[in-house]
Amino acid sequence: GAGVSQSPRYKVAKRGQDVALRCDPISGHVSLFWYQQALGQGPEFLTYFQNEAQLDKSGLPSDRFFAERPEGSVSTLKIQRTQQEDSAVYLCASSLAVTPNTEAFFGQGTRLTVV
Amino acid sequence: DAKTTQPNSMESNEEEPVHLPCNHSTISGTDYIHWYRQLPSQGPEYVIHGLTSNVNNRMASLAIAEDRKSSTLILHRATLRDAAVYYCILRGNTPLVFGKGTRLSVIA
Repeated sequence: GAGVSQSPRYKVAKRGQDVALRCDPISGHVSLFWYQQALGQGPEFLTYFQNEAQLDKSGLPSDRFFAERPEGSVSTLKIQRTQQEDSAVYLCASSLAVTPNTEAFFGQGTRLTVV
Repeated sequence: DAKTTQPNSMESNEEEPVHLPCNHSTISGTDYIHWYRQLPSQGPEYVIHGLTSNVNNRMASLAIAEDRKSSTLILHRATLRDAAVYYCILRGNTPLVFGKGTRLSVIA
């Protein structure tokens, strides 16, 4: 596909359940980013990868959040033992590099609702 | 991270030009000024970016002050499809950091 693809688009999880959110970046994009967006707020940075290396995970809110990109392409964001405060839209973005002159391309996001 | 300041909301009439301001007084010499917008229920979408000179593309124009402490995103003729939250972001060698942006409403 031409853009960043995220799946599923919507996920409802019972509190305490584990979830996995998938991101397919644009082919050839070295950098991949995850963001969390609460209702009415701007996206908040979670973590980013350069190829398979996770270079910054400072935004992950707790050790229940884990991200991986084992082959430097597809990435998965996993949330263990989901809580209600995890309800948000999770956005994935990719770019050719993390340089000032480079734009990022975002997927449509996965809306997670924890009940 | 260098911060930006934008009005919370703005309103425009359809077919009129819109000027969205952004202040970034702490910008560093190597930061680029990026603009993204987010339509309802969509991920953010790249609009335009620049360093010092004004920039034009098919979506918008970016006017950058000579001292680089402020910039203005210009939509030449607003349409209903331009109703979105517009984010002004300073980008160095780090991931994008979003503020709250400006919510643009377009009135038919």
